This record gives sequence, C-alpha cells and structure tokens, in this order.
Amino acid sequence: AQSVTQLGSHVSVSEGALVLLRCNYSSSVPPYLFWYVQYPNQGLQLLLKYTTGATLVKGINGFEAEFKKSETSFHLTKPSAHMSDAAEYFCAVISSGGYNKLIFGAGTRLAVHP
Amino acid sequence: GAVVSQHPSRVICKSGTSVKIECRSLDFQATTMFWYRQFPKKSLMLMATSNEGSKATYEQGVEKDKFLINHASLTLSTLTVTSAHPEDSSFYICSAKGDRAGQPQHFGDGTRLSIL
Repeated sequence: AQSVTQLGSHVSVSEGALVLLRCNYSSSVPPYLFWYVQYPNQGLQLLLKYTTGATLVKGINGFEAEFKKSETSFHLTKPSAHMSDAAEYFCAVISSGGYNKLIFGAGTRLAVHP
Repeated sequence: GAVVSQHPSRVICKSGTSVKIECRSLDFQATTMFWYRQFPKKSLMLMATSNEGSKATYEQGVEKDKFLINHASLTLSTLTVTSAHPEDSSFYICSAKGDRAGQPQHFGDGTRLSIL
C-alpha cells in the first residue's frame, strides 16, 4: 500500500530564503508523485508532478522537486521565498488500487516572514 | 486548461435541509471525479470516487445514503448532502481527472457548508 509522510507540519522561512518542504513516500510500484498548494478557503492547485523520465521536475511559481528513488523522497524546493508562497502544501502519491486515487500527506503549512 | 468549477462556494442552511454541490470540468472530459471532505487544519479525506455512468464507490465509514453522488456526464458530478445536520458542516472539495494513467487530479475551489 502507498503512503506519504510530510516531515514538519509547520515550516517558517524569511522572505528570500530557501524553501524546503520534505516528502517521503512508500510505494510497492513505481510512483506517480504530486505536490499541491492550498490557499485559505480554496481548493488545491497543482504545483508539479513526477510520472516518469527526468527526476528533477520544475513546476509553477518557481518551485521544483526531485524524485530520489533510493531515498524514497520527493522534496519540494524554491530558491527564494516570497510572501505570496505562504500556504498549505500537500504531497501526494497515486494509489496502486483502482481509479488512481490520491494518497495525501498530512500537509505542511509554510509561513513566510518579512 | 484543466479547469474545474465547483458551485456554490458557500452554503448556510438550516438543519434538516438537503444541499446539492456541483462539480464541473470546463475544458476536459472527466472520466473520474472525486469528492473530499476537509476538516480545519487537516488534510483531505476522500469520501467517494465516481465514474461517469456508474455508481459511486464510497470510502469506508462514509454513508452513501447521506452523501448522494451522481456522475451523469463526463463534465458534471453532484454531491447531495441529505438531511444535513451541524456535524456535516465542513469544507467539501471535488476533483476531476481524465482517463490516462498518471494524470493529475484537478480540484475545484471547494464549498464551505455551514449547517445551523
């Protein structure tokens, strides 16, 4: 069965600092991995995804993530945080069961300070 | 592309009322739609999965007679919360995806349901 662990429910960075949000997964099959962002009272917006191919995936808003099979990780990074990046971030893996259900991590709330 | 519209964005109603929430894929055919419930400061909890023209598949612990799901076309799914009570108050989010493996789910903006 698949599972996702996001280390750190809250991360706080200064504006302009590096953003690193950690995600580790467990999967018995080659995983499809996703990062989503959620702003208050809104749905989720896809930041980036990894299916196959290049392990460094670039997404929207300057975010990128690297799939590391040996470490079963898919950490999200951004070189320089903006105030507008403050939000909840969810890592997810597709279930190997039917319908391509998503298995979500618990989420990481990113705070950005001036 | 890949826009999902969810309506209404907010509903406030009396206990005992039934409430319908619509989820539409505006620019793609959604073979599968998902309905989630999100509690404050929590992750999303999958309630059910629906495929066009088929009965929804509900997750364990979700009452199918309480949360009626219809997926009548490739662009529309509805969730009806029947005889809603205050404990049904929550943030409900739908998502939709096409039929290719590995495609991401695209999410609506959610519906804040408040039962008085």
